[in-house]
Amino acid sequence: DAGITQSPRYKITETGRQVTLMCHQTWSHSYMFWYRQDLGHGLRLIYYSAAADITDKGEVPDGYVVSRSKTENFPLTLESATRSQTSVYFCASSDRGNTEAFFGQGTRLTVV
Amino acid sequence: GENVEQHPSTLSVQEGDSAVIKCTYSDSASNYFPWYKQELGKRPQLIIDIRSNVGEKKDQRIAVTLNKTAKHFSLHITETQPEDSAVYFCAASLNTDKLIFGTGTRLQVFP
Repeated sequence: DAGITQSPRYKITETGRQVTLMCHQTWSHSYMFWYRQDLGHGLRLIYYSAAADITDKGEVPDGYVVSRSKTENFPLTLESATRSQTSVYFCASSDRGNTEAFFGQGTRLTVV
Repeated sequence: GENVEQHPSTLSVQEGDSAVIKCTYSDSASNYFPWYKQELGKRPQLIIDIRSNVGEKKDQRIAVTLNKTAKHFSLHITETQPEDSAVYFCAASLNTDKLIFGTGTRLQVFP
């Protein structure tokens, strides 16, 4: 199916474990973004990518790692999960950084 | 870096009334200002956007205004309906760079 998809939709992990959230888009959009959504903080940018092999930090990058070896995929890895990383994570893509961003359905991550 | 502030955090209106949400941005070079609507449990979706070379844009019951001098932009919803109830986010983008969002406004429209 065309669009942008995230997996898994729900994830529970333990403190200290590594976890990877996946994001895949079929539009060949150049830009991809990772946001986290927390009550009272809105959508905060974690990392973004302007093209394959190009990534840059957003507002809250600490504790996260990204890679983009292929245009269509933009995985987000929590190297050692902490309770403060419990959140809803949204991936998004856009043709350029200043055009409509399309969001995935989100991943609800709980760190216990 | 870019910073976007959004007010109010919650807004309650009677059906048929107007609703206004305001945002300010910090980087005067920002040139793209979208608004997203997020219904409960759903993903954010674009409802309207404006670029820095335009002062106002309308789409049926929604409109966005931009004041570049004051570095603020606003979303106006007229004749509100219960289905307008959602969280609304403003955002700002510098050139082709990252998109930074405000903290959101929860709009409740009462019948």
